[in-house]
Amino acid sequence: DTAVSQTPKYLVTQMGNDKSIKCEQNLGHDTMYWYKQDSKKFLKIMFSYNNKELIINETVPNRFSPKSPDKAHLNLHINSLELGDSAVYFCASSIPTGQETQYFGPGTRLLVL
Amino acid sequence: AQSVTQLGSHVSVSEGALVLLRCNYSSSVPPYLFWYVQYPNQGLQLLLKYTSAATLVKGINGFEAEFKKSETSFHLTKPSAHMSDAAEYFCAVSVRGAQKLVFGQGTRLTINP
Repeated sequence: DTAVSQTPKYLVTQMGNDKSIKCEQNLGHDTMYWYKQDSKKFLKIMFSYNNKELIINETVPNRFSPKSPDKAHLNLHINSLELGDSAVYFCASSIPTGQETQYFGPGTRLLVL
Repeated sequence: AQSVTQLGSHVSVSEGALVLLRCNYSSSVPPYLFWYVQYPNQGLQLLLKYTSAATLVKGINGFEAEFKKSETSFHLTKPSAHMSDAAEYFCAVSVRGAQKLVFGQGTRLTINP
């Protein structure tokens, strides 16, 4: 059973399009995250949600809009895609105490042409 | 704010040799420290973590790390490298109540036969 799953795994699209990435976790965690990994492998937090409420928005352009319909799901919608949005996007989940392990999904590789 | 610096973006060792990956952190409050491993085209997997209990932490696959407050370090070691250890390794820091991990730049470990 996959703990944190993401769909799609690969996404190739044109500049200006709108796309969504879905994330689901079956670990019963209250907190979910989106991280972006750039071409140099650097990982940076984008958003953090706790019990469906936005906790962290780390200076992400408002073209990115996360949505958490329930505790087990955190989706990421991106409007007007730009070349610089090309990256690998990772979803993760954890118990929200800071010291708990974050469990990562397999990633979604987004390529904007 | 917390930060992590990983010394050496690329480390190459021979099979059977000692692996040493360096991580220094900065935090104004007691940190929680993590090492994650990323195999090609996969998500991140926790190797080990320090959460203010024992300063010498043992993880999976024979890895261990020692928290040294005086040196603000959390270096990762393995006595004998195996070909399967080739991957990208990330050190990360969090603090109590934090809703995010702050990652270092990553170190790519190559194992020579």
